[in-house]
Amino acid sequence: KQEVTQIPAALSVPEGENLVLNCSFTDSAIYNLQWFRQDPGKGLTSLLLIQSSQREQTSGRLNASLDKSSGRSTLYIAASQPGDSATYLCAVISGTYKYIFGTGTRLKVLA
Amino acid sequence: DVKVTQSSRYLVKRTGEKVFLECVQDMDHENMFWYRQDPGLGLRLIYFSYDVKMKEKGDIPEGYSVSREKKERFSLILESASTNQTSMYLCASSRTDYGYTFGSGTRLTVV
Repeated sequence: KQEVTQIPAALSVPEGENLVLNCSFTDSAIYNLQWFRQDPGKGLTSLLLIQSSQREQTSGRLNASLDKSSGRSTLYIAASQPGDSATYLCAVISGTYKYIFGTGTRLKVLA
Repeated sequence: DVKVTQSSRYLVKRTGEKVFLECVQDMDHENMFWYRQDPGLGLRLIYFSYDVKMKEKGDIPEGYSVSREKKERFSLILESASTNQTSMYLCASSRTDYGYTFGSGTRLTVV
């Protein structure tokens, strides 16, 4: 059974710092991995989608990498800003129609 | 811009009421999903549908049913609302092997 883990559960950093969020999964046979952002009381906003044949995706200050063999993905945020404060979730899809979500990393960027 | 629209942001219902949560997508996606999200428990899949009139139980289907009469609309039904169904409900859609798009969520309170 696929399990997805995100460490740390919470992270607080000063503005301007580069940071890395981690996502681990137990079954390397995945189709996609997707990173989301969730603001309090809101839905999930897609940040980056990495398909199984890809190793990374970039969007602005965000870069996500995927290493299927080791069961890991990282989300790199460059030059963090207070507006980046949110919960970040990763999710994997492996063989069925549904995603398995991690429990998220709650990020706070201090001004 | 692609969209998943949930009909209500906030709902307050009484115990025993029949509750309908509506979700509409404009992307011609085959797959649609209903999740609930609770603090400390993450996102849990209630039901999903991979085609019109098709439905599959997720991890926590008890007390819920769904309807998908048209491709763009997926309804979640609480047959007899109970206080333990107070939660944030999130709808998502996807094209097979591609990423999810989420709605903005419905915060349901059952009193």
